[in-house]
Amino acid sequence: AQKVTQAQTEISVVEKEDVTLDCVYETRDTTYYLFWYKQPPSGELVFLIRRNSFDEQNEISGRYSWNFQKSTSSFNFTITASQVVDSAVYFCALFPFYGNNRLAFGKGNQVVVIP
Amino acid sequence: NAGVMQNPRHLVRRRGQEARLRCSPMKGHSHVYWYRQLPEEGLKFMVYLQKENIIDESGMPKERFSAEFPKEGPSILRIQQVVRGDSAAYFCASSPGGRHTEAFFGQGTRLTVV
Repeated sequence: AQKVTQAQTEISVVEKEDVTLDCVYETRDTTYYLFWYKQPPSGELVFLIRRNSFDEQNEISGRYSWNFQKSTSSFNFTITASQVVDSAVYFCALFPFYGNNRLAFGKGNQVVVIP
Repeated sequence: NAGVMQNPRHLVRRRGQEARLRCSPMKGHSHVYWYRQLPEEGLKFMVYLQKENIIDESGMPKERFSAEFPKEGPSILRIQQVVRGDSAAYFCASSPGGRHTEAFFGQGTRLTVV
């Protein structure tokens, strides 16, 4: 079975501070994909990134960066110089390529950026 | 991703009524997945369908819930005799093939049972 843990439920930061969201996963599969989604107050799910288990390179996209550490089963997400528009719930998810054909989601991190 | 269309966006039902949620997959996609998000929870898998077939419904409640994906038209998630505990956001995603790696979701339907 797959499990995704996002331990921090709510994180408050002051605008322009950096914030890092932890994601730890469990899977027996050697091939899998990891995702991050953003859910703003309007409720939709916004796809941010997909990373496969063979690609351990870190990725940066604007103010967003991701740190994939296969050795510790973690796929952490950092928002640099946070802005009020970053206030949202962020979900980490795992897809085991050869397992059940479904995404396993963590419970999400509520990020509140204070102006 | 605007390509997966769900309607309605918001649905209010009284206890005991039926709720019908629709999901039109992205063009060219023949596989649909439904997830439910209870308040302050992550998304939980409900059902995976291919055109005219239910492939995996292991996440569906045994009673009152059903899903279909006909040859023509959208996928429908149907909840009969709704109860307050059914209040949630229901999301669907679609994929072109049999692996759920292209994980773009619709905007969701927020069901409120009063």
